[in-house]
Amino acid sequence: DTGVSQDPRHKITKRGQNVTFRCDPISEHNRLYWYRQTLGQGPEFLTYFQNEAQLEKSRLLSNRFSAERPKGSFSTLEIQRTEQGDSAMYLCASSLGLTSGGADTQYFGPGTRLTVL
Amino acid sequence: AQTVTQSQPEMSVQEAETVTLSCTYDTSESNYYLFWYKQPPSRQMILVIRQEAYKQQNATENRFSVNFQKAAKSFSLKISDSQLGDTAMYFCAFIQGAGSYQLTFGKGTKLSVIP
Repeated sequence: DTGVSQDPRHKITKRGQNVTFRCDPISEHNRLYWYRQTLGQGPEFLTYFQNEAQLEKSRLLSNRFSAERPKGSFSTLEIQRTEQGDSAMYLCASSLGLTSGGADTQYFGPGTRLTVL
Repeated sequence: AQTVTQSQPEMSVQEAETVTLSCTYDTSESNYYLFWYKQPPSRQMILVIRQEAYKQQNATENRFSVNFQKAAKSFSLKISDSQLGDTAMYFCAFIQGAGSYQLTFGKGTKLSVIP
């Protein structure tokens, strides 16, 4: 059973460029989550999907951020016109989706570390 | 608003000794779940232990146990027989059970196990 995978693991970009990250959840996991973790902080929720439907978005997810999960499998997170404040670790998690809310354990991927110069 | 507070930014423990990490949280809900996640250096976050608020019995997973004090809104993690592999950031997290899927994390406690 492979875990959650994320690609790339590291991304360095210049301010103003667009970047896209990919997350592959654990096979058969229906729910997929994105979090952002800045240095010295715990992860902060960005958004989550139930299959292909994006059901919840944090106010942290500005209009420069967009997430998709087109076929209910992998997901992408795109950041347009990156800013230095976007520098962070972007974490993806998935869960089985057979139970609701906190009963559904979230399993995390290794993250994509974004550095905006 | 939900908040999670970890008051110990860093802790250290001798190998084979016991250490307790503190966590308090704030919620007005009665149905919620509490978690401890471990994030080793440069490795992914893994779940250590979870506690359902409606359960009075404290959760235990091998060397890891919690002290859940619902009235005090306290959720501490005890690690017994500490091992070098326990060196990591430990995050306390919280989620409302009634249809919420957002994990709210504390800032973490950096635990170092000293040989």
